[in-house]
Amino acid sequence: ETGVTQSPTHLIKTRGQQVTLRCSSQSGHNTVSWYQQALGQGPQFIFQYYREEENGRGNFPPRFSGLQFPNYSSELNVNALELDDSALYLCASSLEQFEAFFGQGTRLTVV
Amino acid sequence: AQRVTQPEKLLSVFKGAPVELKCNYSYSGSPELFWYVQYSRQRLQLLLRHISRESIKGFTADLNKGETSFHLKKPFAQEEDSAMYYCALSRSGYNKLIFGAGTRLAVHP
Repeated sequence: ETGVTQSPTHLIKTRGQQVTLRCSSQSGHNTVSWYQQALGQGPQFIFQYYREEENGRGNFPPRFSGLQFPNYSSELNVNALELDDSALYLCASSLEQFEAFFGQGTRLTVV
Repeated sequence: AQRVTQPEKLLSVFKGAPVELKCNYSYSGSPELFWYVQYSRQRLQLLLRHISRESIKGFTADLNKGETSFHLKKPFAQEEDSAMYYCALSRSGYNKLIFGAGTRLAVHP
């Protein structure tokens, strides 16, 4: 059984650019949640995908969007990057409402 | 507003001392409460959930609905307990978690 993997682990983008982060969910899991963790803060819920449909969204603007694929892997897309988007982005996968397992995160730096 | 507050950014204790990491929450309804832990260079992982009422690695947490608190306790801290601890809540299950800012626990020899 493989765990949750995220790619890339680090990346640097310029303000105004677009970025795509990827998450491979744990085997057998059909739900993926994305979180943003700014420095010194706890993770903040962005949105969740369940069986390829968005299933709840936190207080993030529409330039944060996502996808979930038939194999339940997921992408987080952020358009028009701002400096404040610099953070650690975490994904967590679960089977339905059971325990969610986190990935190691992608560290995004916007300059 | 739904909110989780962890008032201490850092808690520093000596090995063998009791530990209490504070967590207060604001939520309209009956949330589920969790403690997550992140050890150095490891990913965030579940420590315990209030519904299960388990003791994990010697840690316990009791949900006090009157005080809207879910403090994490351990009678005798160990050096390996040093980590970042996050309190979190959800409306139901493990999804759409609302996290506190976290408390760093440092256990000194």
